[in-house]
Amino acid sequence: QKEVEQNSGPLSVPEGAIASLNCTYSDRGSQSFFWYRQYSGKSPELIMFIYSNGDKEDGRFTAQLNKASQYVSLLIRDSQPSDSATYLCAVGPSSGYNKLIFGAGTRLAVHP
Amino acid sequence: DAGITQSPRHKVTETGTPVTLRCHQTENHRYMYWYRQDPGHGLRLIHYSYGVKDTDKGEVSDGYSVSRSKTEDFLLTLESATSSQTSVYFCAITAGTNTEAFFGQGTRLTVV
Repeated sequence: QKEVEQNSGPLSVPEGAIASLNCTYSDRGSQSFFWYRQYSGKSPELIMFIYSNGDKEDGRFTAQLNKASQYVSLLIRDSQPSDSATYLCAVGPSSGYNKLIFGAGTRLAVHP
Repeated sequence: DAGITQSPRHKVTETGTPVTLRCHQTENHRYMYWYRQDPGHGLRLIHYSYGVKDTDKGEVSDGYSVSRSKTEDFLLTLESATSSQTSVYFCAITAGTNTEAFFGQGTRLTVV
């Protein structure tokens, strides 16, 4: 079982719709969760991080964390074609040194 | 943007030759990482460092070695390059435990 799992997609949504990206993780003690966006040929860039159960909003982005179910999600409201990218979920360790484990990413395509 | 510079940005090398990739940071962050990214696998951790001369293996460390003689520099060496090491390599840094990672621009390595 992979430590961090994401649906590879592509997830296709129309412009203006809500895109929902999901991630599950295996380490029940994980304490930190991150969403990165990666455009083709570029390096990953941080969108959001979340540490506590519940929702965290930043502009059009909302991260949701449910530690009991071991999943974290990212909602993108009013999706734009410029949001088309691969979204990587990353999970921090329950103990020890800070080693982020990444999922394989979900490719999002927003069509006009 | 976080001050992380990778060199070289592109390299083509022959099978069996040694290759060294360099990551240089100006953020004085404690932790540094080397990841490789291949289609379908996302980012996989090769090695990481939690301080000067303190390094440890990640999930795909075979065939790679690292060194960190100064806070700002983290070197990744392929002792004898193989075609399976053709990949995009990313360096990342974090300030502490359970904090977000910032990435360099990436190095595209092709082993022929």
